[in-house]
Amino acid sequence: GDSVTQMEGPVTLSEEAFLTINCTYTATGYPSLFWYVQYPGEGLQLLLKATKADDKGSNKGFEATYRKETTSFHLEKGSVQVSDSAVYFCALSQAGTALIFGKGTTLSVSS
Amino acid sequence: GAVVSQHPSRVICKSGTSVKIECRSLDFQATTMFWYRQFPKQSLMLMATSNEGSKATYEQGVEKDKFLINHASLTLSTLTVTSAHPEDSSFYICSARDRPGQNTEAFFGQGTRLTVV
Repeated sequence: GDSVTQMEGPVTLSEEAFLTINCTYTATGYPSLFWYVQYPGEGLQLLLKATKADDKGSNKGFEATYRKETTSFHLEKGSVQVSDSAVYFCALSQAGTALIFGKGTTLSVSS
Repeated sequence: GAVVSQHPSRVICKSGTSVKIECRSLDFQATTMFWYRQFPKQSLMLMATSNEGSKATYEQGVEKDKFLINHASLTLSTLTVTSAHPEDSSFYICSARDRPGQNTEAFFGQGTRLTVV
């Protein structure tokens, strides 16, 4: 079945460092891809999404490009802030079904 | 964006009792809602898909008699954990889309932290 694999955490960075969180997927067909963020004690919020190959999703300085050839959707940010500390989930969806999530990557940014 | 409200946010119950968790779509109608369970430091695992006016579809390995799901209206789905045991302690999250289709955003409730003592 469909699945999402993302890099194990935790990721610990200093403020203003460059962030990459790797995400790859396995799916039949052409899924939509998402990144969700979960701040401590809160529910999930959509960070960005891409619906077809070569689409780039972006929000709040975060970016991810839908790469069909490598089945990847890596999350990047050029300069992280302490407020970006959270758990990040990569996910895919097909045909209106429920989202399938990766295991989540914890990001911790220190000043 | 659309709002999904989940209640309660935190509940502690005694072993053997039942707990009901509510999930409401506040400003849209949701014909389908999803229930997830999140273990510490792990991903969200889909438990079941809740369909308004019909029986829920459970994922493999989820006990339908233990986790009762009712989707009585277009804005409310409930998850009842029956005869709860300590191993049922977890973070439960509901989700809904305000429109059908795979490209649409899924909105999540705040989650419910269940502790069974």
